[in-house]
Amino acid sequence: LAKTTQPISMDSYEGQEVNITCSHNNIATNDYITWYQQFPSQGPRFIIQGYKTKVTNEVASLFIPADRKSSTLSLPRVSLSDTAVYYCLVAPDNYGQNFVFGPGTRLSVLP
Amino acid sequence: GAVVSQHPSWVICKSGTSVKIECRSLDFQATTMFWYRQFPKQSLMLMATSNEGSKATYEQGVEKDKFLINHASLTLSTLTVTSAHPEDSSFYICSARSGLAGDKETQYFGPGTRLLVL
Repeated sequence: LAKTTQPISMDSYEGQEVNITCSHNNIATNDYITWYQQFPSQGPRFIIQGYKTKVTNEVASLFIPADRKSSTLSLPRVSLSDTAVYYCLVAPDNYGQNFVFGPGTRLSVLP
Repeated sequence: GAVVSQHPSWVICKSGTSVKIECRSLDFQATTMFWYRQFPKQSLMLMATSNEGSKATYEQGVEKDKFLINHASLTLSTLTVTSAHPEDSSFYICSARSGLAGDKETQYFGPGTRLLVL
């Protein structure tokens, strides 16, 4: 059961790059790392997923070191609308084992 | 693509009544669906995992006779809260995974259902 640790909250200003790191020391070989964004009273929205090294899409980048014991979500030039809770989820590709959402990181973007 | 819907988006009911929440995958077939509960300012708590055509697997501490889950087709799963009480008031969220190669690791979440039991 891969447990994750993230900072509870972070503050940033508009236009800045934000990096949120998630620790998952007991990640298993068949675990993937997925980041979600959640606004109040909405379901989580998929942001990015990776297994190792670096993954980039149109909204974010995900950096995963070789030992995979942590991962960093990078949001370039955040705006006020990026204020949300960000969850790091580590789970196997078949979801056959237990998986747990961590507490998430509450990001506040200030003007 | 990969859209999941939930119905209703919110519901208010009297204590003792049952409430059914539907979760549908609109543009893909979901081999597995998950049901979560989320209390204010808390993380998502997995309640159960359901696979099409088989019984749901409930997490420890979740009463299977109170939270009935039916996954009758590859696009529909339902959660019925039986004999609801005020402490069941929460935000219920479903998710689905497609099982398709290259995408089976990802869960796609519904918009959630707000339940208030009076």
